[in-house]
Amino acid sequence: AQSVAQPEDQVNVAEGNPLTVKCTYSVSGNPYLFWYVQYPNRGLQFLLKYITGDNLVKGSYGFEAEFNKSQTSFHLKKPSALVSDSALYFCAVRVDDKIIFGKGTRLHILP
Amino acid sequence: EAGVAQSPRYKIIEKRQSVAFWCNPISGHATLYWYQQILGQGPKLLIQFQNNGVVDDSQLPKDRFSAERLKGVDSTLKIQPAKLEDSAVYLCASSLAGNNSPLHFGNGTRLTVT
Repeated sequence: AQSVAQPEDQVNVAEGNPLTVKCTYSVSGNPYLFWYVQYPNRGLQFLLKYITGDNLVKGSYGFEAEFNKSQTSFHLKKPSALVSDSALYFCAVRVDDKIIFGKGTRLHILP
Repeated sequence: EAGVAQSPRYKIIEKRQSVAFWCNPISGHATLYWYQQILGQGPKLLIQFQNNGVVDDSQLPKDRFSAERLKGVDSTLKIQPAKLEDSAVYLCASSLAGNNSPLHFGNGTRLTVT
């Protein structure tokens, strides 16, 4: 069965430090991987995607994600966290035109 | 481009009442989705349309939920009768066809059933 796992419910990072939000997946076939961010009282907003090619993909607001096929992971990263990055982050996989979301990771950036 | 529009933003009803939500997707997006997001959880797909046909409604509680997308553009999601456990945010999203296309979400409708 297709699945997406975000092992951390919450991640706390000091402002200015690098951040990582973890995601692993289990799908048959080639995965199309996405990260979304959700701010309070808003819908999900697309950050970046991996389709094929370079394992490091860059997205909005300085975020990037690293695709690792052998570890079936797609971790979200940012070199220097901002307080405004505090939000709920969702990893998603799209296969056969169906989208599966992880349960989300709440990111707290501490001033 | 204009984003996905949803209305209303908030709705409070009593259990056993009915409610309807409306969604207008991004122009040209053939695929439309309705998701239910319960507080603290990820979005759960209720129904997916491709143009005006249903692609996936396997998780839609069909005894009380219904959705339609007449003319392949706007969509309406209805709950009748509502239960307490239906309290959630209902998100509409749209996308171009194809696995490499991201979803674009509206701001959602927050439903409270009392």
